[in-house]
Amino acid sequence: DTGVSQDPRHKITKRGQNVTFRCDPISEHNRLYWYRQTLGQGPEFLTYFQNEAQLEKSRLLSDRFSAERPKGSFSTLEIQRTEQGDSAMYLCASSLAEVVDTQYFGPGTRLTVL
Amino acid sequence: AQSVAQPEDQVNVAEGNPLTVKCTYSVSGNPYLFWYVQYPNRGLQFLLKYITGDNLVKGSYGFEAEFNKSQTSFHLKKPSALVSDSALYFCAVSPNTGFQKLVFGTGTRLLVSP
Repeated sequence: DTGVSQDPRHKITKRGQNVTFRCDPISEHNRLYWYRQTLGQGPEFLTYFQNEAQLEKSRLLSDRFSAERPKGSFSTLEIQRTEQGDSAMYLCASSLAEVVDTQYFGPGTRLTVL
Repeated sequence: AQSVAQPEDQVNVAEGNPLTVKCTYSVSGNPYLFWYVQYPNRGLQFLLKYITGDNLVKGSYGFEAEFNKSQTSFHLKKPSALVSDSALYFCAVSPNTGFQKLVFGTGTRLLVSP
């Protein structure tokens, strides 16, 4: 399978714990995006990388959130001191740096904060 | 600011009948428009996109969408619905300059009955 992969698929944690998610984009894609989707809503943009550079961050991305893409390949999204409001599906997408970005999404990581 | 409206939470159609899922958008300048489909506990799958040119765009699985600039709409259509088309459909818009963040609507659930 050469699509976008995410790990883990599900994560249950207690409030206050730190969690880290991983995204592996399609191999030749140099753009990588993180989105968050809550129940009944469409995905909302969190952050964007072109190669290893983080070029854009949403206001939704509080100080407790950090994302990295150290070698321009896979990316990690860490949430520190999780809160119940962080419960959501975290989606990763990747694309080629073309004139028109077509973003291809992974299956997501569902986070439940108890 | 960009925005997308999907006015119907759910669309019900009988198998074999034509279907339409509505989407209107607001964006500065000319838009790039996308439709994605989401199956339960899965990520989003790309269906089709409008960039420029012909207002009728054809995509995967027999879906098509019609861009109407005067009505700022991008409705998704299919001539003959299948039960397997039942899923959650998202319309998204991005600007055609600079960073192409996707802004999604809230989604429309399509239910195709046998």
